[in-house]
Amino acid sequence: DTGVSQNPRHKITKRGQNVTFRCDPISEHNRLYWYRQTLGQGPEFLTYFQNEAQLEKSRLLSDRFSAERPKGSFSTLEIQRTEQGDSAMYLCASSFPFEDTLNTEAFFGQGTRLTVV
Amino acid sequence: GDSVTQMEGPVTLSEEAFLTINCTYTATGYPSLFWYVQYPGEGLQLLLKATKADDKGSNKGFEATYRKETTSFHLEKGSVQVSDSAVYFCALTPSGTSYGKLTFGQGTILTVHP
Repeated sequence: DTGVSQNPRHKITKRGQNVTFRCDPISEHNRLYWYRQTLGQGPEFLTYFQNEAQLEKSRLLSDRFSAERPKGSFSTLEIQRTEQGDSAMYLCASSFPFEDTLNTEAFFGQGTRLTVV
Repeated sequence: GDSVTQMEGPVTLSEEAFLTINCTYTATGYPSLFWYVQYPGEGLQLLLKATKADDKGSNKGFEATYRKETTSFHLEKGSVQVSDSAVYFCALTPSGTSYGKLTFGQGTILTVHP
């Protein structure tokens, strides 16, 4: 397994455009998380899935943001009508569920860096 | 809500110096505590963790002890190397929740010179 994979690695878009990012988790992991990291700050939790079910969404996830995990494998994060304040690194992580006490560590991808111009 | 506060950076040290990066937290109950590291060009990696009070997490020469009485989880290493240069993040998850739903501190940049 090559770990958590995110595509694209970099995205430059014009304000007002829609963008979509993809995350492929570690194949055995059924939990998947999205985070946003702005320059000089730690990652901030956005949302997470267990299989295809979206279990929690942060208040940071405005109605312009939507995340899906339709078949419980890869996930997409879409931002509609992008704003300059959306410029950030978007991180994806995956893990086994908490109930699996053998190994619940979250593994992170390298992220997608979004620049809105 | 839960929060994590790390010492201001950046931190610059010479090789073989002693490292301390302070981390304090605010949370109800007994959260699990973590240190993550981000090397240049790479994703976040778990460095060590502690899941209950007085536990000591350790890995690659780094250590941190879960201190409930001072709500702290300071990271230490006795002798740093140039290869330790990275950004270090302290983080927590609330008790009884997934280790993937993390609250992070702002990060501390460490640079180690030969």
